[in-house]
Amino acid sequence: AQSVAQPEDQVNVAEGNPLTVKCTYSVSGNPYLFWYVQYPNRGLQFLLKYITGDNLVKGSYGFEAEFNKSQTSFHLKKPSALVSDSALYFCAVRAPGSNYQLIWGAGTKLIIKP
Amino acid sequence: DTGVSQDPRHKITKRGQNVTFRCDPISEHNRLYWYRQTLGQGPEFLTYFQNEAQLEKSRLLSDRFSAERPKGSFSTLEIQRTEQGDSAMYLCASSRTSGGATNEQFFGPGTRLTVL
Repeated sequence: AQSVAQPEDQVNVAEGNPLTVKCTYSVSGNPYLFWYVQYPNRGLQFLLKYITGDNLVKGSYGFEAEFNKSQTSFHLKKPSALVSDSALYFCAVRAPGSNYQLIWGAGTKLIIKP
Repeated sequence: DTGVSQDPRHKITKRGQNVTFRCDPISEHNRLYWYRQTLGQGPEFLTYFQNEAQLEKSRLLSDRFSAERPKGSFSTLEIQRTEQGDSAMYLCASSRTSGGATNEQFFGPGTRLTVL
């Protein structure tokens, strides 16, 4: 069965430091991977996706993610965190040839402290 | 692009009542999705439309739930005989047709349902 795991419920980072939000997946075949961010009282916003090609994908707001096939991971990263990055982050996967639904992780709350 | 809109944003109802939510997708998007999200969890897929055709329904979508997209534009999600366990955020998303499964989905702000 397809699944996504975000092993950390919460990640705390000091402003200006690099941040990593972890995501691992289990899917047959080559996956399509997505990161979304959810701010309080706002809808989910797309950050970036990996479909094929370069393992390092760049997205919105200075975020990037690295696809690692051998470790079945797709960790979200940013070189220098901002307080405004504080939000809930979700990783999602879709298997090629599957229907169009996304399988979602439980989310990671990112807290950036000034 | 005016984004995906949902109405109402909040709904409080008594157990046993019926409720209906509306979603207006981004105008050029043919695909429309409904999800349910509870606190501390990621969204759970409910159903998916391509134009007016409902192509997939999750087993989570019991007989009390029904969704329509009659003209391939807006969609409605109805819950009959609501139960307290239906309390959740109901999310709507839409996506383009071209690019298929690689396309990202654009989400509305959600409708928060509270069943008393």
